[in-house]
Amino acid sequence: NAGVTQTPKFQVLKTGQSMTLQCAQDMNHEYMSWYRQDPGMGLRLIHYSVGAGITDQGEVPNGYNVSRSTTEDFPLRLLSAAPSQTSVYFCASSLGLPTLTDTQYFGPGTRLTVL
Amino acid sequence: EDKVVQSPLSLVVHEGDTVTLNCSYEVTNFRSLLWYKQEKKAPTFLFMLTSSGIEKKSGRLSSILDKKELFSILNITATQTGDSAIYLCAVGRRDDKIIFGKGTRLHILP
Repeated sequence: NAGVTQTPKFQVLKTGQSMTLQCAQDMNHEYMSWYRQDPGMGLRLIHYSVGAGITDQGEVPNGYNVSRSTTEDFPLRLLSAAPSQTSVYFCASSLGLPTLTDTQYFGPGTRLTVL
Repeated sequence: EDKVVQSPLSLVVHEGDTVTLNCSYEVTNFRSLLWYKQEKKAPTFLFMLTSSGIEKKSGRLSSILDKKELFSILNITATQTGDSAIYLCAVGRRDDKIIFGKGTRLHILP
């Protein structure tokens, strides 16, 4: 198993550009989520999904879109990048609910810089 | 507004010392308390606590939850340099969201 994979590892964007951060898992996990981590901060939940076709907003959803058309993939779209979105982005997945029963596994992260 | 507060934010100790990391929370619809360790990259899971007073242990690490006073502690005994990391506390809510604290950065001196 590759676990949770994220691409790209690094990305530099200009203000106003759009892009998609990719996240995939090969563990047949139902729950997937996106976090951002800024210096001196913990992780903040952007969006999450409890299964294919179901997504919901986390703490900081503004400026980001997600969709979950398959169990394996959970892409995060930045609609119009802003410098405030400069951050490290982590995708995570778990078999069931990470709040109740199951361990959440994190991907290696994508470091995004918006100029 | 939901809050998860960790203390201290930073801690430097010598190898062999015992450390206690604190986590207090004010979160609606509490379901569980989670501890993660973050070294260079992605966080890795340590513990999930759902019941008060029941200690969870893994080697030199242990954790306990007090749901009445709304806090948890993470203890590390006989620390080693490999324990140097950021330790993240998080609360899982019944709506499946997870709220993280800012973390405690622990540095172990040889």
